[in-house]
Amino acid sequence: DAMVIQNPRYQVTQFGKPVTLSCSQTLNHNVMYWYQQKSSQAPKLLFHYYDKDFNNEADTPDNFQSRRPNTSFCFLDIRSPGLGDAAMYLCATRPDSSYEQYFGPGTRLTVT
Amino acid sequence: DQQVKQNSPSLSVQEGRISILNCDYTNSMFDYFLWYKKYPAEGPTFLISISSIKDKNEDGRFTVFLNKSAKHLSLHIVPSQPGDSAVYFCAAYNQAGTALIFGKGTTLSVSS
Repeated sequence: DAMVIQNPRYQVTQFGKPVTLSCSQTLNHNVMYWYQQKSSQAPKLLFHYYDKDFNNEADTPDNFQSRRPNTSFCFLDIRSPGLGDAAMYLCATRPDSSYEQYFGPGTRLTVT
Repeated sequence: DQQVKQNSPSLSVQEGRISILNCDYTNSMFDYFLWYKKYPAEGPTFLISISSIKDKNEDGRFTVFLNKSAKHLSLHIVPSQPGDSAVYFCAAYNQAGTALIFGKGTTLSVSS
């Protein structure tokens, strides 16, 4: 089945220790998104890629970086995680021809 | 400030009855709206959408109504089933059409 896959599903990292979350897709969609969702809050867009073009939201902290080496993969790097970065991180994809975004299951990040 | 608001955090409905989930938005430039459904430990899944040129869109048991003058949309589920118990997110594309802006969600519980 075509899908959006996120690994790992659960990640624990220490305060200040860099961490990378990964997302892959078999849908061949050219747009990919990273969202952050804190408890009982709305998912909040961090950045998105239109093909290889990177688009950063204005209020995304510099601590968050992203890489998209090819169509299928996208990574979220948190350079120095703080306690406030504990959240669910959702990856989504979208074909150019549609408004519908397809979400992965998310990675729950815990910062100790 | 929230641009997409779901003012009811939760809703309880009996099986077979109608569920009505509400959503308000503040930006009159939003022109495409989506509803997503989320089960625990899964990513959001697309349910139904509506363009601002329409006032109603129907898909099986799900109907979305849009009232542009009131900046309000609602999702009707008829008849409600226990499997519909989930968190429902309302979302709108920003003016540039590049990012989804989500509400905080409404948790629907359908009892048998």
